[in-house]
Amino acid sequence: QQQVKQSPQSLIVQKGGIPIINCAYENTAFDYFPWYQQFPGKGPALLIAIRPDVSEKKEGRFTISFNKSAKQFSLHIMDSQPGDSATYFCAARGGLYAGGTSYGKLTFGQGTILTVHP
Amino acid sequence: EAQVTQNPRYLITVTGKKLTVTCSQNMNHEYMSWYRQDPGLGLRQIYYSMNVEVTDKGDVPEGYKVSRKEKRNFPLILESPSPNQTSLYFCASSLSAGSSEQFFGPGTRLTVL
Repeated sequence: QQQVKQSPQSLIVQKGGIPIINCAYENTAFDYFPWYQQFPGKGPALLIAIRPDVSEKKEGRFTISFNKSAKQFSLHIMDSQPGDSATYFCAARGGLYAGGTSYGKLTFGQGTILTVHP
Repeated sequence: EAQVTQNPRYLITVTGKKLTVTCSQNMNHEYMSWYRQDPGLGLRQIYYSMNVEVTDKGDVPEGYKVSRKEKRNFPLILESPSPNQTSLYFCASSLSAGSSEQFFGPGTRLTVL
C-alpha cells in the first residue's frame, strides 16, 4: 500500500515555466515532509523540506505548499532551468509517536521525471 | 569529505550466488538505511538500523539480510539472489532517526540473471 502518492509521473516544461509536482499522504503521524532531487547516476539529495505546522516554505526558486487538512503538499519550481531536469521525490517521515510506520522512516512517493527544455 | 560510499557500483550476477553490497559512512551517523529504487515505485525501505547492533525490517525485507557491527558500516546481504531483486540500491545515513536530512550513497545497480 502506497502511503505517499505522487503525480505526475513525468513532466516536460519550457525554460522559465513553473512545473508543479503534487503529493498526497494518508498517515497523519508523519511529522516532516522533504523533497529529494536525483540526477542520473547519483543518489537522491535533500532539496527542501517542510513541517506540518507551516503552510508554505520557499528556498530560492523552490517552494513547498502544504495543506494539512487535505493531507497534500506540492513542489513548485519558479523560472525553471534546464539544469533542474532531474527526478524529484516527495517523502514523508514517521514521527516519534507514529502509527503504521516507524520513527524516522522516510516513505517516498513514486517520483516525477522533470525535463526542462531550453 | 563527508560521504556515504557503496561498493560495488555495478554488479551482474546469477540466481542463487550470494553477494554483499557494502555501505560505509564517515559522518558518525547513528541511523542507516537501505532502499531499493524501481521505476514507478519510488524508493522503498529494505532494512534500517537505529544504531550499532539494532536493525529492523522496512517495507520490503524479503530475501535480504543486514548487519550493523560497527557504527560506520551497514552491509546488505543477498543470500540467494533472484531476478526480482534486480534493482538500483541506495544506502543512506543520518545523525539520528529524527534528523532532518538523510544522506544517500551513489547507488549500486544490481542485475540478477
